[in-house]
Amino acid sequence: QVQLVQSGAEVKKPGASVKVSCKASGYTFTSYGISWVRQAPGQGLEWMGWISAYNGNTNYAQKLQGRVTMTTDTSTSTAYMELRSLRSDDTAVYYCARGDYGEPGYFDYWGQGTLVTVSS
Amino acid sequence: EIVLTQSPGTLSLSPGERATLSCRASQSVSSSYLAWYQQKPGQAPRLLIYGASSRATGIPDRFSGSGSGTDFTLTISRLEPEDFAVYYCQQYGSSPSFGGGTKVEIK
Repeated sequence: QVQLVQSGAEVKKPGASVKVSCKASGYTFTSYGISWVRQAPGQGLEWMGWISAYNGNTNYAQKLQGRVTMTTDTSTSTAYMELRSLRSDDTAVYYCARGDYGEPGYFDYWGQGTLVTVSS
Repeated sequence: EIVLTQSPGTLSLSPGERATLSCRASQSVSSSYLAWYQQKPGQAPRLLIYGASSRATGIPDRFSGSGSGTDFTLTISRLEPEDFAVYYCQQYGSSPSFGGGTKVEIK
């Protein structure tokens, strides 16, 4: 069965960086892409960006350009999302979700979420 | 960027009733690249509908999607107790975006 298992909760200070992992299993990793979606406490969903596990192409949300980097390690079927220069409004649950390999697509499987708290 | 506006913000209904949720886009959504998700507290979203009207694997047929262009609808024909949740629409063109959500609560 398809599973996306994310790394554990993080607490970071403003200005720091965080790197969240998402390990995929139950399907051919390089046949799909991974998007990252975040949800601030009590708020809606925000798409952050996408990476193709097929060829490494990326597409980031404009508001996060320059602060976010998404990568994959095909040898371990793991996707990573690094967010730099953290601010208090980056506090959110971060989800990885499986999508298409050529463009973001819709998201048929989701990770369990990783809470990132930014606080001094 | 395509902005999605969902209405109403909250829908108060009883089990067995019909729910109609709206999602309006600021510009035409190409190829009906419109999906719907259900989210319950403390859980990740679950895909219900993609391509505006195709049900995802394992989704009961009481859920249906319709629409094209800028106006889309999710209908739940008869609400079951497990259907009370928040619902999001999403357009998945080159720069995906989500609507603000509609909460379906028990009346």
